[in-house]
Amino acid sequence: ETGVTQTPRHLVMGMTNKKSLKCEQHLGHNAMYWYKQSAKKPLELMFVYNFKEQTENNSVPSRFSPECPNSSHLFLHLHTLQPEDSALYLCASSQGPGLAGLNEQFFGPGTRLTVL
Amino acid sequence: AQKVTQAQTEISVVEKEDVTLDCVYETRDTTYYLFWYKQPPSGELVFLIRRNSFDEQNEISGRYSWNFQKSTSSFNFTITASQVVDSAVYFCALSEARANDMRFGAGTRLTVKP
Repeated sequence: ETGVTQTPRHLVMGMTNKKSLKCEQHLGHNAMYWYKQSAKKPLELMFVYNFKEQTENNSVPSRFSPECPNSSHLFLHLHTLQPEDSALYLCASSQGPGLAGLNEQFFGPGTRLTVL
Repeated sequence: AQKVTQAQTEISVVEKEDVTLDCVYETRDTTYYLFWYKQPPSGELVFLIRRNSFDEQNEISGRYSWNFQKSTSSFNFTITASQVVDSAVYFCALSEARANDMRFGAGTRLTVKP
């Protein structure tokens, strides 16, 4: 595997379900990100992890819970979601946020989430 | 606060036409980075270019060219002789040197018709 991978690629869940999205980067990067892309909305940054520590949480509802066990893996745990949470969830990684010339982010293919 | 504006929501051209995608940004930092990404129908964002705030030299890569003008806070992207495979959503993004994130514009959907 190369680059950034995400599983599953598609997920349909009910509002009472609990599920997790997985992201893995094979680039040796130290920072990982979760983005939400809804129809007709800009990419919204959800969470940022730098060296496994969460450094940003952009007012994301608690029904989204991130986990970063190491620099290569990032999870997004989902519970009691709402239909408006249906979106494409993109994971990205970069060598290091805030470092000159190293802010380029590499994206995974995304997980298309549908909440019924 | 950093902000990126892509005023063109959708653009449609016929193959072989040239097309320019506009990007205007706002930042208070003197050191920052500008990016363009392409998102084809498959969904994955593909990195196209990074430019730092101290390098205003325009860049050309094949049919792609970028015009960075600090005086107007713009970083426009031109595709010459467009092809159907160029059809995608294109995002402009800004990252300040001290920031932990990247701010994206709303994106411009480009459709190239045969």
